[in-house]
Amino acid sequence: QVQLQESGPGLVKPSETLSLTCTVSGGSISSYYWSWIRQPPGKGLEWIGYIYQSGTTNYSPSLKSRVSMSVDTSKNQFSLRLTSLTAADTAVYYCARQEQELVRFRYFYFLDVWGKGTTVTVSS
Amino acid sequence: QSVLSQPPSASGTPGQRVTISCSGSSSNIGINSATWYQQLPGTAPKLLLYSNDQRPSGVPDRFSGSKSGPSASLAISGLQSEDEADYYCAAWDDSLSGWVFGGGTKLTVL
Repeated sequence: QVQLQESGPGLVKPSETLSLTCTVSGGSISSYYWSWIRQPPGKGLEWIGYIYQSGTTNYSPSLKSRVSMSVDTSKNQFSLRLTSLTAADTAVYYCARQEQELVRFRYFYFLDVWGKGTTVTVSS
Repeated sequence: QSVLSQPPSASGTPGQRVTISCSGSSSNIGINSATWYQQLPGTAPKLLLYSNDQRPSGVPDRFSGSKSGPSASLAISGLQSEDEADYYCAAWDDSLSGWVFGGGTKLTVL
């Protein structure tokens, strides 16, 4: 049973950089796309971006200028870096695995395994 | 403003059937599949339905899904008190090459 665990600081100061890591256990990080999603207090889910085992990435246009992701296959981990933090970045940050299913010659994607989430507060 | 549109709230009494809609566009639900998540308070989203209507093992068959064009629906029959949660729809968006979510629907069991 694949499990994901986010780790990182719970409190970060405005203008600083957030670094989070997601550790994959019970399975390999290889052959999957891995996403970061966040949820501000009392609000909905927002996709931040994904990374593939090869290091290929794609980021949400709204965060692209401040986001970077990396992967360490030897440690079965992938990471998120978000710069120039403001209070609006306060949220629960989740990592998730992207699975796919071939249906009538087309792949359907879904995020099937999620971490428990880590709360990040941006405050001085 | 979420890319996918869901009603902010829904309600029903125990045993009733409720449906939650999710409206997207030709670049997401219209060409890809809808996924549904259940989020209980203080917990991570849990996969409820994928590929429009497929249930992961362990999800009761009271939960069902459908898709028509750029819209999808989640139906919960035989409503139970433990179904009280937030429900989110999601889809891969070809224009974004990424994920889009609905704003979430808070389901209250009266």
